[in-house]
Amino acid sequence: NAGVTQTPKFRILKIGQSMTLQCAQDMNHNYMYWYRQDPGMGLKLIYYSVGAGITDKGEVPNGYNVSRSTTEDFPLRLELAAPSQTSVYFCASSHQKDTQYFGPGTRLTVL
Amino acid sequence: QKEVEQNSGPLSVPEGAIASLNCTYSDRGSQSFFWYRQYSGKSPELIMFIYSNGDKEDGRFTAQLNKASQYVSLLIRDSQPSDSATYLCAVLEYGNKLVFGAGTILRVKS
Repeated sequence: NAGVTQTPKFRILKIGQSMTLQCAQDMNHNYMYWYRQDPGMGLKLIYYSVGAGITDKGEVPNGYNVSRSTTEDFPLRLELAAPSQTSVYFCASSHQKDTQYFGPGTRLTVL
Repeated sequence: QKEVEQNSGPLSVPEGAIASLNCTYSDRGSQSFFWYRQYSGKSPELIMFIYSNGDKEDGRFTAQLNKASQYVSLLIRDSQPSDSATYLCAVLEYGNKLVFGAGTILRVKS
């Protein structure tokens, strides 16, 4: 199993551009999550999903959108990128109320 | 929003010593607690989870939970330089959402 995969690993965006961060898991987990981590800070939940077709906001959802059309994939969309969205983004998945497994992260810089 | 508090450190311990990492949480109803380790530039990886009051041991790691005091800790025995990392405490909220503390930086000096 590859576990949780994320693409791209690094990306530089200009202010106002848009992009989609990809996340996929092959563990048949129902729950998937998107976090951001700013330097020296813990992880903040952006959005999460409890299954295909079901998503909900986390603590910091503004400026982001998600969709969950399949169990495996949970892309995160950034519209109109802003410098405040410069961060490291982690995707995670879990089975029910179990351990969350994290992907390797995407380091995003908005200039 | 539930809160999880950790001392940011850095906590410096000599090789072979016991490292003690502490975490407090605000929601008295919280039931599940996790410790993740994060090396610089890497993703978090689970070390231990604990659900019941008392101690839970796994190798050199011991998690301690005191729900009355809303306190959870992680002890690392015989600390090694490879244990140097940031340790994140996380508490499970309703909806299977984790709330993370900001993390404690641990430095083990040889």
